[in-house]
Amino acid sequence: DAKTTQPNSMESNEEEPVHLPCNHSTISGTDYIHWYRQLPSQGPEYVIHGLTSNVNNRMASLAIAEDRKSSTLILHRATLRDAAVYYCTPSGEGFGAGTRLTVKP
Amino acid sequence: DTEVTQTPKHLVMGMTNKKSLKCEQHMGHRAMYWYKQKAKKPPELMFVYSYEKLSINESVPSRFSPECPNSSLLNLHLHALQPEDSALYLCASSQSTGTAYGNEQFFGPGTRLTVL
Repeated sequence: DAKTTQPNSMESNEEEPVHLPCNHSTISGTDYIHWYRQLPSQGPEYVIHGLTSNVNNRMASLAIAEDRKSSTLILHRATLRDAAVYYCTPSGEGFGAGTRLTVKP
Repeated sequence: DTEVTQTPKHLVMGMTNKKSLKCEQHMGHRAMYWYKQKAKKPPELMFVYSYEKLSINESVPSRFSPECPNSSLLNLHLHALQPEDSALYLCASSQSTGTAYGNEQFFGPGTRLTVL
């Protein structure tokens, strides 16, 4: 499994964009990069995934470095409901420590 | 239906009890997973089933016994657990294993297990 490195925690103000980084320098060439989030008292929830190109969906955007050794999850306008632990998982079957996002009103 | 259901939501058991956790999905997924999550920690993969066959066992103690009776159901049989096994047990499913085609996992809400 690829090892991931994410900041332990980040803070954002409501309505502002948030950039959540992830380093995955040992990712294999065919592994997709998945992002999940886990709200308090819930199971993880799929957010977005990509391989090489940047991706957008209704929840977020994913920017993938050209060498694929890092990626950034972008929440364009953070809301209080986005407060969660965000996990980056290149292997798809194992979770790193994740980033706890706090959103301040 | 994009839901993974898990029962029970909460379970309290003694160290000599035998109990089972159940997980169900009706999305036609052929991969199913069990994770264990301790408080303030990320989920830890325990088992992976692919097409109803156990494909990954992450060196889980034998007091945890998984079973996949059919493609929609996944059980986790518990016997002679220890207090340190108290945790949130999460089930997930995906179209298939691996990430070669971006097989995102759908998670259930989990069963919170307390071992006394």
